[in-house]
Amino acid sequence: TQLLEQSPQFLSIQEGENLTVYCNSSSVFSSLQWYRQEPGEGPVLLVTVVTGGEVKKLKRLTFQFGDARKDSSLHITAAQPGDTGLYLCAGGGPSTDKLIFGTGTRLQVFP
Amino acid sequence: KAGVTQTPRYLIKTRGQQVTLSCSPISGHRSVSWYQQTPGQGLQFLFEYFSETQRNKGNFPGRFSGRQFSNSRSEMNVSTLELGDSALYLCASSSNYGYTFGSGTRLTVV
Repeated sequence: TQLLEQSPQFLSIQEGENLTVYCNSSSVFSSLQWYRQEPGEGPVLLVTVVTGGEVKKLKRLTFQFGDARKDSSLHITAAQPGDTGLYLCAGGGPSTDKLIFGTGTRLQVFP
Repeated sequence: KAGVTQTPRYLIKTRGQQVTLSCSPISGHRSVSWYQQTPGQGLQFLFEYFSETQRNKGNFPGRFSGRQFSNSRSEMNVSTLELGDSALYLCASSSNYGYTFGSGTRLTVV
């Protein structure tokens, strides 16, 4: 069974601080996606990484796929209250057709 | 371009009843996946349909079933509802770029 563990589970920080969320597995994935979900809504795709060692930046968010394609990280610089939400990583393939979701990290950014 | 539409948004049912949830994917998307989201278990995969065929199934009991129509709209059905079925049920249509989720159906079983 493929599992994706995220840490930390909860994160509560002040506006302007930096943070990193980790997504780890013992399995290899062909691709890894990050989503953000706000209360009462479905997850929204932020980024997809497919190459080991790949780094993608989305404004203040930096995503990295591990060299062995078993782990990923999301770094947010100068967090803002609008970053508040549930962050989910999700892995796809090669041994599964379905998307496996991580356990989630709930981020709260206070003004 | 319309997103993924799920109906109804909220539902309250009694134990033992059955329920049908509906999902209309993004126009042109033929793959629809269903997930159950609970605080304790996170997002758990239910099943995936592609061109009216179930392509993948998660580890849920047979009370959970689904189908997809020729226009790609999908429905999922839960029979003999249990209290533990209370959850947010999410539908996603997928393309090469990733999944697009609907807003979900919040099911409460009392």
